Amino acid sequence: EPEVTQTPSHQVTQMGQEVILRCVPISNHLYFYWYRQILGQKVEFLVSFYNNEISEKSEIFDDQFSVERPDGSNFTLKIRSTKLEDSAMYFCASSEVDDPTDTQYFGPGTRLTVL
Amino acid sequence: KNQVEQSPQSLIILEGKNCTLQCNYTVSPFSNLRWYKQDTGRGPVSLTIMTFSENTKSNGRYTATLDADTKQSSLHITASQLSDSASYICVVSRGGATNKLIFGTGTLLAVQP
Repeated sequence: EPEVTQTPSHQVTQMGQEVILRCVPISNHLYFYWYRQILGQKVEFLVSFYNNEISEKSEIFDDQFSVERPDGSNFTLKIRSTKLEDSAMYFCASSEVDDPTDTQYFGPGTRLTVL
Repeated sequence: KNQVEQSPQSLIILEGKNCTLQCNYTVSPFSNLRWYKQDTGRGPVSLTIMTFSENTKSNGRYTATLDADTKQSSLHITASQLSDSASYICVVSRGGATNKLIFGTGTLLAVQP
């Protein structure tokens, strides 16, 4: 069964460094999302992406964050200058369409630790 | 404010027993409600999805109910198995926007032998 994959599974970085989290969505999906989950807290929406554009972003997704689909398969989340509070699990998700009844399939997540 | 609240926060049951998890939401406009299962260190996996007009949906041993009038949902797990140990998250999709999901805090279920 097709699945969303994410790399790396765990990223450790120093405060102020740039990180790029990578995702490979399911191949026929057109809509892509990033979510984060701070330890012990709920999953929070960051951004949705379609047709090489951001569709919607949350207030968390400030200028330090950016997303890109550099080729036909990868979808990346870049954090330009990491802060301690960016430490969290980051989940990528994809869906075939952007219909609210469509299922979003989540990847296994990247655990980001900022020291 | 769009919120999804779940209870209990955690639950311990014996293998083979049934349990019911609760969800209350204040999301508006409402589009649909989903229950996800999240194993430790993994991404959420969809169990059920219900739209406004549906009041019950089953997926194997999982049965979800929805009361759109009271804005409440429940997830009933029958004949629990050790592999059911996970966090169960109630997720509401808001209508009119992109498919942005609003997550509850989850109920952590532990099934003991």
